[in-house]
Amino acid sequence: DVKVTQSSRYLVKRTGEKVFLECVQDMDHENMFWYRQDPGLGLRLIYFSYDVKMKEKGDIPEGYSVSREKKERFSLILESASTNQTSMYLCASSLLGDYNEQFFGPGTRLTVL
Amino acid sequence: AQSVSQHNHHVILSEAASLELGCNYSYGGTVNLFWYVQYPGQHLQLLLKYFSGDPLVKGIKGFEAEFIKSKFSFNLRKPSVQWSDTAEYFCAALSSNTGKLIFGQGTTLQVKP
Repeated sequence: DVKVTQSSRYLVKRTGEKVFLECVQDMDHENMFWYRQDPGLGLRLIYFSYDVKMKEKGDIPEGYSVSREKKERFSLILESASTNQTSMYLCASSLLGDYNEQFFGPGTRLTVL
Repeated sequence: AQSVSQHNHHVILSEAASLELGCNYSYGGTVNLFWYVQYPGQHLQLLLKYFSGDPLVKGIKGFEAEFIKSKFSFNLRKPSVQWSDTAEYFCAALSSNTGKLIFGQGTTLQVKP
């Protein structure tokens, strides 16, 4: 089975802190994604990556950056956390190509105080 | 803008009742459609998917969905729900133009025993 793991299930940070969310997948998938999940808004794509050192903006990239130095690892970075970034963050991965389902991690619930 | 819309935000049913959750998408071109489910405290996981062929798609746990191209719809159905179906359900569409997966707002299903 595909396994996507995220470094923390719960995280509490203060406004202005730099926050790193880590995601690792063990199935050699080319694609990796970061979403945020908010009630009534579903999942919204923040950033995605098709290959190492490659990144593309999703629908809501403002306030975020990403890093993909190794194929299995995709990091989401909040340069200066703000309260409106309090949310559930989901990482996903998939094989390259249009027809492949995305496999999701358990999520990180981030609270910014 | 491309979008996916789920009509029901919160559905409450008794066990053995029939279920239909609505999903409409706005793409005009080739589209691949998915239903994902998130059980309380668990990962988002794939219920079923449609790429081509038979518009009636069967998924796990007795769920099915019907793709109706003329109505831009992909409604999820189950003839008899169980308490264990209590979860949040997300419809999603993958646009071949953008390669992005667009999620609906989600529907919370509560099944009363």
